[in-house]
Amino acid sequence: EDQVTQSPEALRLQEGESSSLNCSYTVSGLRGLFWYRQDPGKGPEFLFTLYSAGEEKEKERLKATLTKKESFLHITAPKPEDSATYLCAVQSVNAGKSTFGDGTTLTVKP
Amino acid sequence: ETGVTQSPTHLIKTRGQQVTLRCSSQSGHNTVSWYQQALGQGPQFIFQYYREEENGRGNFPPRFSGLQFPNYSSELNVNALELDDSALYLCASSFPENYEQYFGPGTRLTVT
Repeated sequence: EDQVTQSPEALRLQEGESSSLNCSYTVSGLRGLFWYRQDPGKGPEFLFTLYSAGEEKEKERLKATLTKKESFLHITAPKPEDSATYLCAVQSVNAGKSTFGDGTTLTVKP
Repeated sequence: ETGVTQSPTHLIKTRGQQVTLRCSSQSGHNTVSWYQQALGQGPQFIFQYYREEENGRGNFPPRFSGLQFPNYSSELNVNALELDDSALYLCASSFPENYEQYFGPGTRLTVT
């Protein structure tokens, strides 16, 4: 069964203080790994898809990387508006569903 | 391009009642998935529909059922509601050949 574990559960940063979020996964044949941002009471917002180890994607202050066992979401010089819960999910080649982790809640203080 | 929409936004039901939640896919998407998200947890896969047929199901009992219509909109039906069914229900649409899923804003269901 596919599994996703995210750490830390919560992360508090000062504005401008860079850090990384971790997503460890086990999957029987990776079809894709996805990162989403979720604001309180809203649906997840798609950020990135990574398909193979060594792949990297960037968007503004966010950069996602992928290895065979984990993915990192690097946040460079974060701003208060980056505060949200970041979700990681995987899809295996044998299933159309996405298996999600429980997320990392990021708070960026000005 | 129209995004994924869901209705209603909020719903309060009594234990034992039945509920229907609705979802309109993003324009051009023909695959719809439904997820249940409890507070503080990640979304849990309920089922997926492709071309009006169920195309995969998670660990949810048969009282959770769904439909997809020719215009790719979808319904989630839950019978005999239980207190633990209280959650945010999310609909996500995608192309079958592109695994990226785009989520709606969700329906907050409270069962009392």
